[in-house]
Amino acid sequence: EAQVTQNPRYLITVTGKKLTVTCSQNMNHEYMSWYRQDPGLGLRQIYYSMNVEVTDKGDVPEGYKVSRKEKRNFPLILESPSPNQTSLYFCASSLLTNTEAFFGQGTRLTVV
Amino acid sequence: GESVGLHLPTLSVQEGDNSIINCAYSNSASDYFIWYKQESGKGPQFIIDIRSNMDKRQGQRVTVLLNKTVKHLSLQIAATQPGDSAVYFCAENLAGSARQLTFGSGTQLTVLP
Repeated sequence: EAQVTQNPRYLITVTGKKLTVTCSQNMNHEYMSWYRQDPGLGLRQIYYSMNVEVTDKGDVPEGYKVSRKEKRNFPLILESPSPNQTSLYFCASSLLTNTEAFFGQGTRLTVV
Repeated sequence: GESVGLHLPTLSVQEGDNSIINCAYSNSASDYFIWYKQESGKGPQFIIDIRSNMDKRQGQRVTVLLNKTVKHLSLQIAATQPGDSAVYFCAENLAGSARQLTFGSGTQLTVLP
């Protein structure tokens, strides 16, 4: 089954404690992105990747890092989480930028 | 700058009626548009897409209309069912952009019995 898998689904952490949210896709897609979703603001892109070792900033990259060492994986790293990063995070992948993006089930992160 | 927005944040319709969800975009260079449905606790799911060389595309019970003159996109859902209750997002992609999609803020569709 074609899918995008994120882990964990839920995470509560404390300010400053480094965390990683994993994302994996099994469709051999080149393009992957991370979005955060906040009430009233819709989905905002954090980072995106066009291929292995190629990443770039989206609209809200501050406080986040990503890596793309393999085509299937695109982890999101929060080196020092802060409460304003409490949000619902989605990973997405697509064959091209102008084709359907497939989304993971989301990771709800709470930073206290 | 580019922006994708929705005319109404909420929409309530009677079961069996048709629904129309609207979306405005500001960048005339956008050439790919897509509608997603998001149910509570789930990730966005693809509904239908359309490219700028078309003005209408139909799927199963859904139709997307694109009016490039006024930069307007709409999603029509025929015979709305309770399972259609969700938040609907439109999204756009700029021609040649590597940034995947830019999303609007969403419309909450509620289907009344």
